[in-house]
Amino acid sequence: AQKITQTQPGMFVQEKEAVTLDCTYDTSDPSYGLFWYKQPSSGEMIFLIYQGSYDQQNATEGRYSLNFQKARKSANLVISASQLGDSAMYFCAMRERKDDKIIFGKGTRLHILP
Amino acid sequence: AAGVIQSPRHLIKEKRETATLKCYPIPRHDTVYWYQQGPGQDPQFLISFYEKMQSDKGSIPDRFSAQQFSDYHSELNMSSLELGDSALYFCASSVWGRDEKLFFGSGTQLSVL
Repeated sequence: AQKITQTQPGMFVQEKEAVTLDCTYDTSDPSYGLFWYKQPSSGEMIFLIYQGSYDQQNATEGRYSLNFQKARKSANLVISASQLGDSAMYFCAMRERKDDKIIFGKGTRLHILP
Repeated sequence: AAGVIQSPRHLIKEKRETATLKCYPIPRHDTVYWYQQGPGQDPQFLISFYEKMQSDKGSIPDRFSAQQFSDYHSELNMSSLELGDSALYFCASSVWGRDEKLFFGSGTQLSVL
């Protein structure tokens, strides 16, 4: 069963608009961490934001925020005031405490339009 | 700030040859992970090490082996290369138990001809 689901294969957003990238996850482990990574066309995997399952507040990092809804098992990434440089593939990922590895969703390709 | 260093950045090999990929973690990071990302795919976990011991194993072919050395750098050795091994190979490092500090290197693009 898919543990990380990203339902938007691709998105087109106008520059300066806010964008929400969806991510739902499936786990029975009460302790886990959620990640978002950005992968531009150059290929590197850039860490954006992290949310722990016991964190009381939603994580924020500059223009990135994570809308964490634990009961719904949802961890959407919100990018405020999008920029052309935000065009990239975005991966949601999870690490369960009982495992060592992190597992990735299939990704969402975001296109920012001028 | 220092990041995860991977070398080489690009590698071209022939079928049945061997390849060695290297990963230098962020200073004071004790855990290393290897991932394989095929074209248009999400990264797939291969193997991880904590304090020089293998800590988890994923879908790593028997033709591949890896180890972590005393200075915490890691090497992924790939033998009898096949066309299907062409992929972007990532290394990530973290401090054990500190998920928020999990960072990836820029990857090694391996092309098998």
